[in-house]
Amino acid sequence: GIQVEQSPPDLILQEGANSTLRCNFSDSVNNLQWFHQNPWGQLINLFYIPSGTKQNGRLSATTVATERYSLLYISSSQTTDSGVYFCAPSGNTGKLIFGQGTTLQVKP
Amino acid sequence: NAGVTQTPKFRILKIGQSMTLQCTQDMNHNYMYWYRQDPGMGLKLIYYSVGAGITDKGEVPNGYNVSRSTTEDFPLRLELAAPSQTSVYFCASYRGSSGNTIYFGEGSWLTVV
Repeated sequence: GIQVEQSPPDLILQEGANSTLRCNFSDSVNNLQWFHQNPWGQLINLFYIPSGTKQNGRLSATTVATERYSLLYISSSQTTDSGVYFCAPSGNTGKLIFGQGTTLQVKP
Repeated sequence: NAGVTQTPKFRILKIGQSMTLQCTQDMNHNYMYWYRQDPGMGLKLIYYSVGAGITDKGEVPNGYNVSRSTTEDFPLRLELAAPSQTSVYFCASYRGSSGNTIYFGEGSWLTVV
């Protein structure tokens, strides 16, 4: 099955700083999603991005499928961005595996 | 439109007891998933289903069973509960087509004592 590796595992930022989170995956994918888990445990879908670049407000994501990685950019970070960010790639079997996550803490 | 509904939200089990976590979605999604999340860890896939009557093992299936008799329901059965099964369980569903969002339930907190 697909192996997923996220980096960095932990990240501490001052409010207003920018950051880049990385997701490497071991096999070709036809689906890749980024999620944010807030401090209350709720999982929120951020992007569906098997290839290309998308932007949503201060967040953007880029997936280079041929090189098997995806990046999540957070600009002008806010304390509400704190939590854990997961990527979840999947191939054509429908099996959806999550990376181990990047824990982000944004300090005021 | 309720989305993905999990029950119960909290449960305490004694070692050796059995129980079923219920998951229902009303979006006519083909794909459904069960994950567990231990404290401070990521989500591990237990079982998944790509349609009614079809189920397959994920990363950590031991100690669990599932069935998918209808499109809407995907119950997770714990037989002979063990302390190692103490975790938060998430059910998710997905249409399976390009560009569609995965929806998660709110989670079920299970403690085995």
